[in-house]
Amino acid sequence: NAGVTQTPKFRVLKTGQSMTLLCAQDMNHEYMYWYRQDPGMGLRLIHYSVGEGTTAKGEVPDGYNVSRLKKQNFLLGLESAAPSQTSVYFCASSYSISGTGVLEQYFGPGTRLTVT
Amino acid sequence: GQQLNQSPQSMFIQEGEDVSMNCTSSSIFNTWLWYKQDPGEGPVLLIALYKAGELTSNGRLTAQFGITRKDSFLNISASIPSDVGIYFCAGLNTGTASKLTFGTGTRLQVTL
Repeated sequence: NAGVTQTPKFRVLKTGQSMTLLCAQDMNHEYMYWYRQDPGMGLRLIHYSVGEGTTAKGEVPDGYNVSRLKKQNFLLGLESAAPSQTSVYFCASSYSISGTGVLEQYFGPGTRLTVT
Repeated sequence: GQQLNQSPQSMFIQEGEDVSMNCTSSSIFNTWLWYKQDPGEGPVLLIALYKAGELTSNGRLTAQFGITRKDSFLNISASIPSDVGIYFCAGLNTGTASKLTFGTGTRLQVTL
């Protein structure tokens, strides 16, 4: 199992450019998430998905779009990048623990994005 | 959006010392999680707590779920250099699509 993988690992964009970050998981997890991490702020949820074909907004969704066309993939898109979107982006997936109903999240290694 | 308050923000300790950090919230959570993040990596789950008052250990790590369900603490005993990293608490309420609310992190540095 590769777990949760993210591509690319690093990217530099100019203001106004667009890009898509790819997250893939091979654990057959139903739930997937995109977070951003900024210095001193912990992780903040951008969008999430509770299953193939479904997406929902998180805490900081503005400027981002997502798609979950296949269960194993969750794409994060930036249509017109802004310097405020400079951050480290983490994808996560989760499953339900039998007997508790609680879901634990497993994280990818991150994508470091710089917007100039 | 809400974030959990963690303290201390950072700490320098000597190898072999015990470490204690805590996390507080203005809201109730019915699950608390503790993650560790190494430089350049994603967070890795250390301990999960499911019941108020629960005390759980994982090797040298011990975590407790506060009785009010608004706080949690993490202890690391006999610290070693590989304990260096950022420790995050996270609160979770089931039935909310497992959306985590993260703390601001405690940066731990261990000196020899």
